[in-house]
Amino acid sequence: AQTVTQSQPEMSVQEAETVTLSCTYDTSENNYYLFWYKQPPSRQMILVIRQEAYKQQNATENRFSVNFQKAAKSFSLKISDSQLGDTAMYFCALGSNYQLIWGAGTKLIIKP
Amino acid sequence: GAVVSQHPSRVICKSGTSVKIECRSLDFQATTMFWYRQFPKQSLMLMATSNEGSKATYEQGVEKDKFLINHASLTLSTLTVTSAHPEDSSFYICSAGGTSNYEQYFGPGTRLTVT
Repeated sequence: AQTVTQSQPEMSVQEAETVTLSCTYDTSENNYYLFWYKQPPSRQMILVIRQEAYKQQNATENRFSVNFQKAAKSFSLKISDSQLGDTAMYFCALGSNYQLIWGAGTKLIIKP
Repeated sequence: GAVVSQHPSRVICKSGTSVKIECRSLDFQATTMFWYRQFPKQSLMLMATSNEGSKATYEQGVEKDKFLINHASLTLSTLTVTSAHPEDSSFYICSAGGTSNYEQYFGPGTRLTVT
């Protein structure tokens, strides 16, 4: 069975600090994608960043970057210069067999 | 691009009635749409996968006769909660996509309250 594990239920940091959210996964597939989605209080799911498993280079989107360790099946999200608008639930997801397997989520609170 | 709408955003209905939720892909064609249910402070739970022109595939434990899914066109999928009961109260989210890169585009969700 494919699984995604987020071991941090909640985190909080001061504005402008850097924070890293952890995610580990398990799959026997060779072709898969990994995603981080953000769900703010509005509850609209927003794609933060995507990583193709066959790419060794870590994906980066402005202040968001990932540390993809394929052998360790680890996919952490780093948010630099955190902003108040980053406050949200963050979900790690594994894309495989045309479905998304979801982690339990991490509630991130950015304090002013 | 890749905008998905959902209607209604909120609905309150009485126990025993049926409610239909629409999910539309506004600027692209979606051969595959997904329906999720999300309980407070929890992750998304996949209910079913619908492919245009064919029957939906339901996840284990989801009652297909209670949650009717229709995907009649490449831009519209509907979820009908039949004979709703208070335990069906939840946040329902649809998404579209699931192409080669597995990315899904999400609707804003529908808050269903059954009284």
